[in-house]
Amino acid sequence: QQQVKQSPQSLIVQKGGISIINCAYENTAFDYFPWYQQFPGKGPALLIAIRPDVSEKKEGRFTISFNKSAKQFSLHIMDSQPGDSATYFCAASISQGNLIFGKGTKLSVKP
Amino acid sequence: DAGVIQSPRHEVTEMGQEVTLRCKPISGHNSLFWYRQTMMRGLELLIYFNNNVPIDDSGMPEDRFSAKMPNASFSTLKIQPSEPRDSAVYFCASRQGRVKKLFFGSGTQLSVL
Repeated sequence: QQQVKQSPQSLIVQKGGISIINCAYENTAFDYFPWYQQFPGKGPALLIAIRPDVSEKKEGRFTISFNKSAKQFSLHIMDSQPGDSATYFCAASISQGNLIFGKGTKLSVKP
Repeated sequence: DAGVIQSPRHEVTEMGQEVTLRCKPISGHNSLFWYRQTMMRGLELLIYFNNNVPIDDSGMPEDRFSAKMPNASFSTLKIQPSEPRDSAVYFCASRQGRVKKLFFGSGTQLSVL
C-alpha cells in the first residue's frame, strides 16, 4: 500500500511533442505528490509538486494533473525539448513523512 | 550555498572490504536521508535522521549497513563487509524543518568487485 507505481519505464518523444508520465498510488493518506528530475551523474531535483486539493498545477511547460478518485497523477511536458531528456520520478508522502518514489521514467527527446 | 556534498564520487572496492560514504548536508537543514538507487529497485530510502537522531532505519538492508550522524553537518554510511550486490549509487539528501523539498547530493557510485 506504500507503493507508487510509475509508467512507462522509458519514453521517446520527438522535439516539440508532449511527454506524458503516469503514476498511481494506493494509500489515500498521501497528501503531497512531487515530481523529481534527474540528469545523468546528478542527484534528483524537485521539478514540480501538487497537493490533493487541486486537480492541476502548471509551471511553464510542466503540468501535473491529479485525479483523486482514481488515485492517479501524471506529468505532462509540453513542447518537449532535447534538454528535457532525463529520468523523471514521481513520489508521494504523508504529511512530514518520507517520500516514496516511483521507479522512474527515462525520457529521451529526439531533435 | 554549495548544496549537499557527498564523497567520494566513485568508489571501487573488493568484496569483503569496508566502505564508508560521507555526506555534508546543507547548512541549517535538520533532516538527512540516505537513499540507494539501482535499475531494478529505483530509489530506496535506507535511513533518515532528524536533528542528528536516527528516526527510521527500516530500509537498511541488513546488519552490514550502518549510518551515523555525529553532528548537524556530517553523516556517514558504512558497509562492512561489502558485497557485489551492494553496487549502486548512494544518495544523501537533506531538508529544512517542515519544508518538504528534498535537496540531493550528486551521489556516490559504488562498485564492489
